[in-house]
Amino acid sequence: SQKIEQNSEALNIQEGKTATLTCNYTNYSPAYLQWYRQDPGRGPVFLLLIRENEKEKRKERLKVTFDTTLKQSLFHITASQPADSATYLCALSNNNDMRFGAGTRLTVKP
Amino acid sequence: DAGVIQSPRHEVTEMGQEVTLRCKPISGHDYLFWYRQTMMRGLELLIYFNNNVPIDDSGMPEDRFSAKMPNASFSTLKIQPSEPRDSAVYFCASSPGGTSADEQYFGPGTRLTVT
Repeated sequence: SQKIEQNSEALNIQEGKTATLTCNYTNYSPAYLQWYRQDPGRGPVFLLLIRENEKEKRKERLKVTFDTTLKQSLFHITASQPADSATYLCALSNNNDMRFGAGTRLTVKP
Repeated sequence: DAGVIQSPRHEVTEMGQEVTLRCKPISGHDYLFWYRQTMMRGLELLIYFNNNVPIDDSGMPEDRFSAKMPNASFSTLKIQPSEPRDSAVYFCASSPGGTSADEQYFGPGTRLTVT
């Protein structure tokens, strides 16, 4: 069966460091991989989308990589700030399907 | 644009009652999605529409759940009869993209509690 795993339920880092979140998947061939941010009591907010033929994408302090051989995506937040504290969800999709991982709760400590 | 609008924000009902959740997508978006989020199962896709037509309802848990989209600016998700295990946060999302796989814009969610 299809499975999406995000590296850990919670990740704590110090302000200024780079946060790295992992999304692994099995039994799936996504055409797209997306990352969302979710704050408590709110809906997910879209951050980045990367296509299967793209290796890396950047947006300000965010960077996403997509390795279809390893079936893995890495999501990096550089120069992290306490305001980056949230749950981050990866989502895999093709033209007919969209599946979310369980999320990783990131806490950035000042 | 005000974003995706959902109502009510909170709903508490007794087992056996009918529950109707409402969603207004962002104007111009062709896709509308209904999700359910729980601690145990995470975010699950229930059903999605393209141009008001249901495309995939394979995520709808059972016949007690139904969804409609009578026009481009309104959709409902109905549970009849409701059960305690339906307690969750229900999200509506819309997407402007050419496929169902493009970025989605989520509403604030409806927190449903069935007692």
